[in-house]
Amino acid sequence: DAKTTQPPSMDCAEGRAANLPCNHSTISGNEYVYWYRQIHSQGPQYIIHGLKNNETNEMASLIITEDRKSSTLILPHATLRDTAVYYCIVRVTSPGYALNFGKGTSLLVTP
Amino acid sequence: DAGVIQSPRHEVTEMGQEVTLRCKPISGHNSLFWYRQTMMRGLELLIYFNNNVPIDDSGMPEDRFSAKMPNASFSTLKIQPSEPRDSAVYFCASSPRAGLNTEAFFGQGTRLTVV
Repeated sequence: DAKTTQPPSMDCAEGRAANLPCNHSTISGNEYVYWYRQIHSQGPQYIIHGLKNNETNEMASLIITEDRKSSTLILPHATLRDTAVYYCIVRVTSPGYALNFGKGTSLLVTP
Repeated sequence: DAGVIQSPRHEVTEMGQEVTLRCKPISGHNSLFWYRQTMMRGLELLIYFNNNVPIDDSGMPEDRFSAKMPNASFSTLKIQPSEPRDSAVYFCASSPRAGLNTEAFFGQGTRLTVV
């Protein structure tokens, strides 16, 4: 699986958009970009994933650059409950995949 | 569905004792994963199963660790004998099918303390 690079920490004011970057310059054509988050003391939670196109769901938007070497997770209106560690993961497309978590970005949403 | 269920939620044991962690995956899921989380090492994949068969156990730290999945609705992670450095939060996760476009659902974890 390709490695990812994320900033260790970020701050965001409540109500503003949180933009979390991820570099995955060695991503292969058959690898997807996944985002998970982990709120303190809980198990990781799936947010969104994508291959080439931008994706949006009820939680977030995922913007993938055209060369697929980086992506941005966008939380459009951050709330205090979005304070968590966010993990960007790229994964090969093989049966029985496993997620390999890095260190992630610790996002702090402030009032 | 109640989600992935892990038991116990907390376990305190003495060094040298056997510890068994349990996991019930979401019904219908056929992939199951065991992870360990510590402050120093973050989230580490220990082992995962597809259709009850262990696929990759390269993350299991030592022979003291063993995992089984006797059927599609139950898995155990056993540590024998336990050591203080095994203290961590152990997560179990399951996903609906092997392959693409599947998200993993995590349990609430078991916090293990070995004294």
